[in-house]
Amino acid sequence: EPEVTQTPSHQVTQMGQEVILRCVPISNHLYFYWYRQILGQKVEFLVSFYNNEISEKSEIFDDQFSVERPDGSNFTLKIRSTKLEDSAMYFCASRGARGGTGELFFGEGSRLTVL
Amino acid sequence: GEDVEQSLFLSVREGDSSVINCTYTDSSSTYLYWYKQEPGAGLQLLTYIFSNMDMKQDQRLTVLLNKKDKHLSLRIADTQTGDSAIYFCAELGNSGYAHNFGKGTSLLVTP
Repeated sequence: EPEVTQTPSHQVTQMGQEVILRCVPISNHLYFYWYRQILGQKVEFLVSFYNNEISEKSEIFDDQFSVERPDGSNFTLKIRSTKLEDSAMYFCASRGARGGTGELFFGEGSRLTVL
Repeated sequence: GEDVEQSLFLSVREGDSSVINCTYTDSSSTYLYWYKQEPGAGLQLLTYIFSNMDMKQDQRLTVLLNKKDKHLSLRIADTQTGDSAIYFCAELGNSGYAHNFGKGTSLLVTP
């Protein structure tokens, strides 16, 4: 069964360092997302990506964040200079065509710990 | 921003029914969802309801939607230990792209 895969599963980094989280969405999907969940908090929307550009982003997704789909397969989230408050579980998700039920298919998440 | 609210914990005995409640704020949401997250796994769609429906039943799952009160509930009949997980309520946002999630309800089923 097709699935969304994420790497790494866990990354520990020092404050101020750059981090890249990687995702391989389901191959025929068109919409890609990043969400994050700080421990004990709700799952928060970061950004959606369609047709090689950002379609929507939240207030959390500031200049420190960027997304890229470099090769038609991977979908990456980069955090340029990590802060302590970036520690969270980051989920990648993908979706097929617009419309329909809007079901999102999630990866297992990448846990980021910033020290 | 708009918040989806859920109770955080629920504990039931195996064989009993579980009811997880949610309130949402975006009256224009076309779809409302319940996602399930098992330990170490990502969120997986459990069921959904279209906004013009009041109820949807899918085997042991019953979703009730009260649009007037913006209240959504998920009932699990004959709850099993394998149902222990975190359940997230979500609404499809205005743009049609993003889901707005609640904090999740942690369901513990005891033998």
